[in-house]
Amino acid sequence: GAVVSQHPSWVICKSGTSVKIECRSLDFQATTMFWYRQFPKQSLMLMATSNEGSKATYEQGVEKDKFLINHASLTLSTLTVTSAHPEDSSFYICSAMDSPTDTQYFGPGTRLTVL
Amino acid sequence: DAKTTQPPSMDCAEGRAANLPCNHSTISGNEYVYWYRQIHSQGPQYIIHGLKNNETNEMASLIITEDRKSSTLILPHATLRDTAVYYCIVRAKAAGNKLTFGGGTRVLVKP
Repeated sequence: GAVVSQHPSWVICKSGTSVKIECRSLDFQATTMFWYRQFPKQSLMLMATSNEGSKATYEQGVEKDKFLINHASLTLSTLTVTSAHPEDSSFYICSAMDSPTDTQYFGPGTRLTVL
Repeated sequence: DAKTTQPPSMDCAEGRAANLPCNHSTISGNEYVYWYRQIHSQGPQYIIHGLKNNETNEMASLIITEDRKSSTLILPHATLRDTAVYYCIVRAKAAGNKLTFGGGTRVLVKP
């Protein structure tokens, strides 16, 4: 149980284009999902908290207009990186919180490379 | 959230128990201790969590000291597949259930 999927697992795009990443909780409903970013040899950094049916809450320093988050259902949250640039190349990881235990379960991650 | 301190790395022998320490001396009464691990190029995997009692599941055991200022994750029989970065995180529900990842402990299980 408590499986979280992400799609795509990797993506390469040109600078200036937008990329959408999906995060799904497969066997539980998640009112709250989280998006993280991880650069090489660094730890995970929280980008934003996504609550179903409401606006996401972004961490300090994360541009909300660049990283658009939509949490339209209890099993799906999406992160769109708009006008991507090479410095946005990173490993993006989502997590979904299982309400009864408040435990976060993580997806496998999406590796974004912007050329 | 209370900060945690973990050794940056440790080696373990395959088949032996691996004991991973974590200090969280500023933990408050309502904060849980969570352990995750991240195998290279994958998302973190939940291992175990606890508040004040010792916990055990199919993956590991969590021993929390009586004053709750430190804890130890025990992998009873380490295998090569347990090689990963292990993160000890203290989380408060009041903080929006956010997880703040530190540097973790890079565990290398050797044959």
